[in-house]
Amino acid sequence: QVQLVQSGAEVKKPGASVKVSCKVSGYTFTHYYIQWVRQAPGQGLEWMGWINPQSGGTKYTQTLQDRITMTRDTSTSTVYMELSSLRSDDTAIYYCARLYSYGPLDYWGQGSLVTVSS
Amino acid sequence: SYVLTQPPSVSVAPGKTANFTCGGNNIGSKKVHWYQQKPGQAPVLVIYYDSDRPSGIPERFSGSHSGNTATLTISRVEAGDEADYHCQVWDRSSDHPVFGGGTKLTVL
Repeated sequence: QVQLVQSGAEVKKPGASVKVSCKVSGYTFTHYYIQWVRQAPGQGLEWMGWINPQSGGTKYTQTLQDRITMTRDTSTSTVYMELSSLRSDDTAIYYCARLYSYGPLDYWGQGSLVTVSS
Repeated sequence: SYVLTQPPSVSVAPGKTANFTCGGNNIGSKKVHWYQQKPGQAPVLVIYYDSDRPSGIPERFSGSHSGNTATLTISRVEAGDEADYHCQVWDRSSDHPVFGGGTKLTVL
């Protein structure tokens, strides 16, 4: 069965970086784009960017593009999302999700809580 | 960038029908997807391509699309349906998904 398993919770200080991983299984890794979506406490879903696991190509939201990097490791079927220069308003749950045919996000990771606090 | 609008809350008694709306400019030209998100859990896809249900989603969940509004309908609402419901489309012009703000369902 399709699974996306994310790394655990992190606590970071302002100005630090965080790297969240998302290991996929149950399907061919290179066949589906992976999206990253975050959700601040009590807020809605915010799209952050996507990565094409086959080519490594990426697209980021303009509000984060100076601070975000998405990469992948095809040998382990894992994608990574790194966010730098963390601020308190980056405190959120970060989700990876599989994109089905430029439509729905059909499978989601369990989420990774990132807390930014001094 | 493209914007989807959802009402913040909906309240319904058990056994009744809950309707969730999602509006956007020329949304009729896009395919709409819906997610259920229970507290402390990741979103789960409940309707895709306007009206299709993934396997395992009860038939009580249905979707429709008319004019400038897409609608998710839950029939015979149960206490376990309490959750946030998010709509989403793929915005071709910006090449990424767009989410509505979500609607919180309260079962009275």
